[in-house]
Amino acid sequence: GQQLNQSPQSMFIQEGEDVSMNCTSSSIFNTWLWYKQDPGEGPVLLIALYKAGELTSNGRLTAQFGITRKDSFLNISASIPSDVGIYFCAGQLSRGSQGNLIFGKGTKLSVKP
Amino acid sequence: DTEVTQTPKHLVMGMTNKKSLKCEQHMGHRAMYWYKQKAKKPPELMFVYSYEKLSINESVPSRFSPECPNSSLLNLHLHALQPEDSALYLCASSQDTWTGNEKLFFGSGTQLSVL
Repeated sequence: GQQLNQSPQSMFIQEGEDVSMNCTSSSIFNTWLWYKQDPGEGPVLLIALYKAGELTSNGRLTAQFGITRKDSFLNISASIPSDVGIYFCAGQLSRGSQGNLIFGKGTKLSVKP
Repeated sequence: DTEVTQTPKHLVMGMTNKKSLKCEQHMGHRAMYWYKQKAKKPPELMFVYSYEKLSINESVPSRFSPECPNSSLLNLHLHALQPEDSALYLCASSQDTWTGNEKLFFGSGTQLSVL
């Protein structure tokens, strides 16, 4: 089946650092969504991207829809402790494909000890 | 308001029990979804309802039975589950059937443990 390669798998952050993660695929995507999930909770939608090249911000978060439509990245600036959690990218391959939202395997953000 | 409400938050059941998970949204969304999520894995699609009709069943075992009584409610009936069915069950909704311009909103999930 179709796959999204999300990296890194995990990373440690120190408060104040900038964070970057991305998702890539060999397939062309129509839509990219970025979610954050805390333990025992459902994913919360952070940013939605619909056009190639689109750059969208939500507070300290910035995400871009890659020009090739095969990738997307998420940046977090000046990280704070509450940024800890698992971040998922999700994409849809084509219009009209009901429920066909493909998830990356997630990037786990933890605080440096 | 972008809230999808799920109850119960936690559920422990035996393999012979019958239980139901409930989901509610008041955003006027016409598409509702059930996902299953194992620890440290992404959500996996189970069912999609569009305009109160089941449109996708991702080959889910019959011990899971979805129901959509009206456009705001979605239930998942559970019967004779196995321990491997223990997971976080997520409900989600979107304005319409996922056509590429929709945003999918998730509930907080029901953490299910099957003993």
